[in-house]
Amino acid sequence: EAQVTQNPRYLITVTGKKLTVTCSQNMNHEYMSWYRQDPGLGLRQIYYSMNVEVTDKGDVPEGYKVSRKEKRNFPLILESPSPNQTSLYFCASSLSDSLYEQYFGPGTRLTVT
Amino acid sequence: GESVGLHLPTLSVQEGDNSIINCAYSNSASDYFIWYKQESGKGPQFIIDIRSNMDKRQGQRVTVLLNKTVKHLSLQIAATQPGDSAVYFCAENTWLWGKLIFGQGTELSVKP
Repeated sequence: EAQVTQNPRYLITVTGKKLTVTCSQNMNHEYMSWYRQDPGLGLRQIYYSMNVEVTDKGDVPEGYKVSRKEKRNFPLILESPSPNQTSLYFCASSLSDSLYEQYFGPGTRLTVT
Repeated sequence: GESVGLHLPTLSVQEGDNSIINCAYSNSASDYFIWYKQESGKGPQFIIDIRSNMDKRQGQRVTVLLNKTVKHLSLQIAATQPGDSAVYFCAENTWLWGKLIFGQGTELSVKP
C-alpha cells in the first residue's frame, strides 16, 4: 500500500531532550516536507526537500533540523525541544512533476513539558 | 496560557446543496494555488490545484476559481455529501518552488 508513515504517533517529552520523528514513504517520491499544525495558525511548513541531499527552509525552521540521505526517509530532529514546539506534526511527499499533489502521513502529536 | 484564534470559519450546508469555500491569498507572485481537505484525526488530502495562468479548473465534483485581480480563490463542491465534512485549506506556493503557505482553513459541516 502506498503510504507515508511517521513514528512515533504520540510523544511526550521534556524540555531539552533531543528527539527525532521519522518519516518514510514507499512511493519513490522526490519531494518531502514537514509541517506543524497549531490551533488558529493552520499548517506551517518547517522544512522541505526537493530530492536527496537537498533541503530548504520553510516558514518556521527555527529549532528544527532535517536530513535527506535517502530518497524514502526524511527525519525531523529537535535538538533541544521547548514547550513552544508542542504541536501536531505532518510529513508529506509528492512526485516532483506534481509537487502539490502531496500525500500526508497520519501525524505525530508532540508534547514538550 | 492564552488561546488565540481557536475558532475556524465555518460553513454549514444541507446535503445535496452546492458548497463554496473562499480563500484570500497574499502574494501576487504565487504561481500555484492548491486546495486540501482534512478530515478529523487525519492528515490533509490533496483535492485540486490551479496554476496562476488559469482562472478555472474542474475536477470530480469540485471546481476551483481563481481571481487574480482581487487575489481570491474559491472551491466549489457540487452536490455536497456527508463525507465532504472536513476542514478545507487553501495554500499558495511562493516564488520558491516547493515552499507552501497555507490559509487558516474553513470547516465545512454537511447536514443530512
